[in-house]
Amino acid sequence: AQTVTQSQPEMSVQEAETVTLSCTYDTSESDYYLFWYKQPPSRQMILVIRQEAYKQQNATENRFSVNFQKAAKSFSLKISDSQLGDAAMYFCAYSPNTGNQFYFGTGTSLTVIP
Amino acid sequence: DGGITQSPKYLFRKEGQNVTLSCEQNLNHDAMYWYRQDPGQGLRLIYYSQIVNDFQKGDIAEGYSVSREKKESFPLTVTSAQKNPTAFYLCASSLTGQGVPDTQYFGPGTRLTVL
Repeated sequence: AQTVTQSQPEMSVQEAETVTLSCTYDTSESDYYLFWYKQPPSRQMILVIRQEAYKQQNATENRFSVNFQKAAKSFSLKISDSQLGDAAMYFCAYSPNTGNQFYFGTGTSLTVIP
Repeated sequence: DGGITQSPKYLFRKEGQNVTLSCEQNLNHDAMYWYRQDPGQGLRLIYYSQIVNDFQKGDIAEGYSVSREKKESFPLTVTSAQKNPTAFYLCASSLTGQGVPDTQYFGPGTRLTVL
């Protein structure tokens, strides 16, 4: 069974600083995909970043980047130059390479302090 | 604009009643999904459909039913058999439902409260 664990229910960061959100997952598959989604107070889920497990290079999207450690089954999200609009719940998700089922973690609530 | 719409935004239901949540997408996506979100928990998959006229149970399908008669629409019925239906429900879609995972795009959600 695939499980996704986010061990930090809440995090806070000072505006303009950098924060890292943790995610670990459990799978016996060798090929899969990982995602970070953001859910702001509006509750609309928005894709932040996506990583294919066969790619060794860490994905980057502007101020958002990941640290993908396949052997450790770790997929952390780094937010640089944090902005007030980054305040949200962040969910890590795993999807195997066959089919399109997503498995979500329990989320990390990020507060950005002005 | 392309996107996913869910209606209504808030829904109240009396115990023992069935209720249907609407989900429509104009993204021309083949696959659609229903998730349930509870406080302190991640999203849990209720049902998904990879193509029209076909759907599969997710992890928590008991007490729910769906239909997929049109590509654009994937309504979810919460039946009276669902013991604890109060939750936030999210609909999503992806370009394809098979093979390499596609990014899932989400609607704004429906908050269901059972009185």
